[in-house]
Amino acid sequence: NAGVTQTPKFQVLKTGQSMTLQCAQDMNHEYMSWYRQDPGMGLRLIHYSVGAGITDQGEVPNGYNVSRSTTEDFPLRLLSAAPSQTSVYFCASSSGTSRYNSPLHFGNGTRLTVT
Amino acid sequence: GESVGLHLPTLSVQEGDNSIINCAYSNSASDYFIWYKQESGKGPQFIIDIRSNMDKRQGQRVTVLLNKTVKHLSLQIAATQPGDSAVYFCAETFNKGKLIFGQGTELSVKP
Repeated sequence: NAGVTQTPKFQVLKTGQSMTLQCAQDMNHEYMSWYRQDPGMGLRLIHYSVGAGITDQGEVPNGYNVSRSTTEDFPLRLLSAAPSQTSVYFCASSSGTSRYNSPLHFGNGTRLTVT
Repeated sequence: GESVGLHLPTLSVQEGDNSIINCAYSNSASDYFIWYKQESGKGPQFIIDIRSNMDKRQGQRVTVLLNKTVKHLSLQIAATQPGDSAVYFCAETFNKGKLIFGQGTELSVKP
């Protein structure tokens, strides 16, 4: 059981480039989300999805797009990378559409640097 | 604004001692709390959770205590081991269930 798998593990982009961070889970979880982790800021929610075909914005959605065509996959797209998007990105999933009864399971992150 | 925070940013303990990591939250409406452990280069790993209708919950070597009167959450680790060295986050849910994370406490275990 792989859990939550994120690719790539590391990425360097130039300002203005676009890319997609991949996230896949094999636990049949309905809820998936993307967080960024920055020193002194903790984990901040970017976008989330409560099921295939449904997405919504988190606290810091600007500059990012998501889609959820399948239960398993939840890619995060950076449309035009900026240095402020240098961060570690985590994908997480849980079994319920509410986290009240189900903790998030995290991937091991993508470390992104934008120069 | 609403926030979840930690009293101590760093904690150093001797191997075999008990560790206590504290967390304060400001929203009395929060109804679910989680502790995560994050090792260097890895994602947060679920340790234990507790609902607001409980005061205490025990797991393997870990206990979470919830004091709603003073809005305080703590994680107790018994017989701390070198493998427990990591950053520990508390998190709360409110407002449609979105998790809000604290800054984290770094636990260092001396052999």
